[in-house]
Amino acid sequence: GEDVEQSLFLSVREGDSSVINCTYTDSSSTYLYWYKQEPGAGLQLLTYIFSNMDMKQDQRLTVLLNKKDKHLSLRIADTQTGDSAIYFCAESITARQLTFGSGTQLTVLP
Amino acid sequence: SQTIHQWPATLVQPVGSPLSLECTVEGTSNPNLYWYRQAAGRGLQLLFYSVGIGQISSEVPQNLSASRPQDRQFILSSKKLLLSDSGFYLCAWNGAPEAFFGQGTRLTVV
Repeated sequence: GEDVEQSLFLSVREGDSSVINCTYTDSSSTYLYWYKQEPGAGLQLLTYIFSNMDMKQDQRLTVLLNKKDKHLSLRIADTQTGDSAIYFCAESITARQLTFGSGTQLTVLP
Repeated sequence: SQTIHQWPATLVQPVGSPLSLECTVEGTSNPNLYWYRQAAGRGLQLLFYSVGIGQISSEVPQNLSASRPQDRQFILSSKKLLLSDSGFYLCAWNGAPEAFFGQGTRLTVV
C-alpha cells in the first residue's frame, strides 16, 4: 500500500536553511506535494513537483526529488519565524487522491 | 478564482448529539470534494470523497456519513457523535494536480 513518512520535528535558527525530508513507497507516484499548516488553520499548498522533474525552485523554496530512492525534500532558505508550522508531504498517482505524511513540525528559534 | 468555505470553525458537541459540517466551493463546477480528519497525531485521514452529486465514496468505516446534495456542496454528518469523533475536520477541493483546503472545523465531543 501507499505510505509516506516524515520526521516529526525539526528546529532551526532564524536565518539558517531548513531541510524537511520525506520518503514514499509507491513508485507509481506522479505528483508530489508540500503543504504548510499554521496553528488552527487548513493546509496551504506550497508547491508540487511532477515525478519527471528533479528539482523545482520557487523563491525561498527548493524541492528536490530523488525518484530512484523515493525521497523528496523541501529546503527553505533564510528561514524566518513565520515559517514555523507543520509541513506535510503528499503523493498522488492520479492527482485526484492524495496520500499525506504525518507532518513535520518546524520550529524556528530566534 | 476558486475558493472553498467550511463552517463552523469550532464546535463543541455532547456525546450522542448529531453533527452537520458544511463545505462549499466557488469558482469551479463539478469539483472532486474530500473530507479529511486530522487527529491529535497530526496525520490526515481521508474519510470521504465525491466526484459528483449523490456520489460518495467512503474510505474508512466510521460513525460518520457524507452527502453531496449540490454540485458545490459537501456535507459531513453523524447521527450520534462519539468521543472518538473529536478532531480537526478538513474539506478539500481537488483541482488536479493541486488540492485546496478549507480552514477546518475543530470538533470537540464532550
